[in-house]
Amino acid sequence: GQQVMQIPQYQHVQEGEDFTTYCNSSTTLSNIQWYKQRPGGHPVFLIQLVKSGEVKKQKRLTFQFGEAKKNSSLHITATQTTDVGTYFCAGLSSSNTGKLIFGQGTTLQVKP
Amino acid sequence: ETGVTQTPRHLVMGMTNKKSLKCEQHLGHNAMYWYKQSAKKPLELMFVYSLEERVENNSVPSRFSPECPNSSHLFLHLHTLQPEDSALYLCASSQVRGEAFFGQGTRLTVV
Repeated sequence: GQQVMQIPQYQHVQEGEDFTTYCNSSTTLSNIQWYKQRPGGHPVFLIQLVKSGEVKKQKRLTFQFGEAKKNSSLHITATQTTDVGTYFCAGLSSSNTGKLIFGQGTTLQVKP
Repeated sequence: ETGVTQTPRHLVMGMTNKKSLKCEQHLGHNAMYWYKQSAKKPLELMFVYSLEERVENNSVPSRFSPECPNSSHLFLHLHTLQPEDSALYLCASSQVRGEAFFGQGTRLTVV
């Protein structure tokens, strides 16, 4: 079945350093979504990428969708302690009725 | 507040009990999901209902039984659970192929 792999599983950075998490799908995706889950919270939608090669920015966050629509990345520039949490990518296959498959998530810790 | 409400927030049940988790959304979404989140396997998709029809049953044991009586409500009926079923159960809703809005989850402990 469809799988979405995400790396790394954990990342500890010093405040001010950059952070990147990568997402790879076993199948071509219709779109990819990114979510953030704060400790003790629930996943919250960040962004959706639809087009091949698409790049979107939200302040210090940059999201990319690969040309083949099978991979994606989230890059955070100059991390802050408020960036702490788990970042999930979620892929929507082009051949289903709405099944959103999540990656394992990358948990980010930021040391002040 | 995401617009998706889950009850109860916490549940402790014995292995012989029967309980139900409830999820409600009034966002006008037409797809609803149950996810299981545990330390070992974060965010496992359990069930998907699209337009009130179950379109996905991701090899979930029969001791979990979903019910979607209408587009706004989703239930997860639980019976004879095992301790390894202890986890955070998250409900989400969306327009089909749109962004998912999650409830705050039910923290389930099976004793």
